[in-house]
Amino acid sequence: ETGVTQTPRHLVMGMTNKKSLKCEQHLGHNAMYWYKQSAKKPLELMFVYNFKEQTENNSVPSRFSPECPNSSHLFLHLHTLQPEDSALYLCASSQVAIPGGNNEKLFFGSGTQLSVL
Amino acid sequence: DAKTTQPNSMESNEEEPVHLPCNHSTISGTDYIHWYRQLPSQGPEYVIHGLTSNVNNRMASLAIAEDRKSSTLILHRATLRDAAVYYCILISGGGSNYKLTFGKGTLLTVNP
Repeated sequence: ETGVTQTPRHLVMGMTNKKSLKCEQHLGHNAMYWYKQSAKKPLELMFVYNFKEQTENNSVPSRFSPECPNSSHLFLHLHTLQPEDSALYLCASSQVAIPGGNNEKLFFGSGTQLSVL
Repeated sequence: DAKTTQPNSMESNEEEPVHLPCNHSTISGTDYIHWYRQLPSQGPEYVIHGLTSNVNNRMASLAIAEDRKSSTLILHRATLRDAAVYYCILISGGGSNYKLTFGKGTLLTVNP
């Protein structure tokens, strides 16, 4: 248990569906992230939120819409996805959005395995 | 971002030490070396990090070359639960570089 909880663990959706992924962190962190991990590819950073403000959008298509209502919760709203969007979607958090240095680390959830049919 | 190079895969036997190498020849003076690992069906987890000196924690040791162009993650006694993909990542210390860039990592297989 890392303190970062993602739901659902698995999701199958059609290309015309609308669904949402949820992430919750119980660590008191102020930064949250969405990463995408496709089969046989490195993790790709999608979005970064720092103190509820989006500070990074890594050229993600608009069919992915993030929402961060507070520092503990992060959502990824999905609509009209394509089969190539099938992947493991990982949420992470850190104290602030400058991981690195002496003590900053990322804490990841277990991910949502998404299949788009 | 400075890049890292790791072998695609390594194999070890249970109870034996494992040395996972990472090359980072373009590392800058402010880059910290972080290691994460990803167990099957889980998100990555932090393992260890360092700047110049060797580091030890309950999970592993990190040996950093004197010129900092390479480092080695050392698992002192591999267990079956250590089978995972290990990522070596450079992060600029104290800057705005929160773009943790993961490479393909090294897939470690541990044989019983």
